[in-house]
Amino acid sequence: DQQVKQNSPSLSVQEGRISILNCDYTNSMFDYFLWYKKYPAEGPTFLISISSIKDKNEDGRFTVFLNKSAKHLSLHIVPSQPGDSAVYFCAASDNAGNMLTFGGGTRLMVKP
Amino acid sequence: GAGVSQTPSNKVTEKGKYVELRCDPISGHTALYWYRQSLGQGPEFLIYFQGTGAADDSGLPNDRFFAVRPEGSVSTLKIQRTERGDSAVYLCASSLTLGEFTGELFFGEGSRLTVL
Repeated sequence: DQQVKQNSPSLSVQEGRISILNCDYTNSMFDYFLWYKKYPAEGPTFLISISSIKDKNEDGRFTVFLNKSAKHLSLHIVPSQPGDSAVYFCAASDNAGNMLTFGGGTRLMVKP
Repeated sequence: GAGVSQTPSNKVTEKGKYVELRCDPISGHTALYWYRQSLGQGPEFLIYFQGTGAADDSGLPNDRFFAVRPEGSVSTLKIQRTERGDSAVYLCASSLTLGEFTGELFFGEGSRLTVL
């Protein structure tokens, strides 16, 4: 049973436009959420995070939104750039332990 | 380098063989994690070390999998009697744990294991 789901396996966006990546979770004990980015043949790298006490966190072109009642979070990239093309993983933790539960990933392709 | 180093980067073995995968974390990072990523899926937690001890090994799929970190730095993931289903990329990550867990892990490039 997947506790973190990314229902879109891929997304294609034109350069300069907004990219919106979505993530849903089922475990109400999750209280910290993260996005990781992964290029081919590299390990995932941390991108941005949000605590459950917030509903928005912004870092440059990247903004993460959290809707706790809907158990949904999204990552917005504005403006999208070709270098953003990668696989994006949503992850969550419940702070009771020290593990992350990852979604299956969304492959973003930003076309020039 | 300053990042997490994993060796080998690629390992091809035959069903039933024994395999060791090594992880050298970022210097000074006390927490070390092993994850497994199968094709088309996200990383799946295997085991977490805080210092030398395995603080959480709930993700190890069965007793063929074992990991050690004897001196609190380098870790080795050991897989006995490998099966074709063990084929995956094994990711190691480390973090400097101060206070509350933030989830910001530094991953290595992974060891791709193929069991024929």
